[in-house]
Amino acid sequence: DAKTTQPTSMDCAEGRAANLPCNHSTISGNEYVYWYRQIHSQGPQYIIHGLKNNETNEMASLIITEDRKSSTLILPHATLRDTAVYYCIVHNYGQNFVFGPGTRLSVLP
Amino acid sequence: DTGVSQDPRHKITKRGQNVTFRCDPISEHNRLYWYRQTLGQGPEFLTYFQNEAQLEKSRLLSDRFSAERPKGSFSTLEIQRTEQGDSAMYLCASSDGNREFYEQYFGPGTRLTVT
Repeated sequence: DAKTTQPTSMDCAEGRAANLPCNHSTISGNEYVYWYRQIHSQGPQYIIHGLKNNETNEMASLIITEDRKSSTLILPHATLRDTAVYYCIVHNYGQNFVFGPGTRLSVLP
Repeated sequence: DTGVSQDPRHKITKRGQNVTFRCDPISEHNRLYWYRQTLGQGPEFLTYFQNEAQLEKSRLLSDRFSAERPKGSFSTLEIQRTEQGDSAMYLCASSDGNREFYEQYFGPGTRLTVT
């Protein structure tokens, strides 16, 4: 079973920031938080990952709470092409990725 | 195109038939994974290879399923005596297992429909 809990769906206006929450209250000290997304009819795409510190790359920012029990993926300026299912995964080196049902993000014009 | 490729993209077969799917990973990646995804669910892990060795198999991988990666490059997933419950998207992914922190790169998937 997935170790994460995410809302089933969210809407976001085009051009606004999309903030996708994830709860992972049972995360252990050496487990990373990974985010993937899956656009319709495509395979999942890696977005970002982090351990303790906040992370930023060209796609998104990842904010992890100090107790590491939750995180937020931020898409700073959502576009229609960001409409997808977003998966939050807790993962340790050597383990396999366990995907939950994810959050279906709809970016609205 | 240097991404992960899968063939075929779509397969329709009758119950009881055998099917085989192929995955070509990113060339320098030594790890290759197979997942299954049904409608509305996230991908479910089936098995993975490091080079040509199959290191782990999920309980989802029944005796009717077999996967190979004979030369540590491309991989095949065969399903024998297909059942309607096998209808799903079959995804392949690859990664560089020599790195401590790695992302998996997924292919576009093969959609199987068993009638």
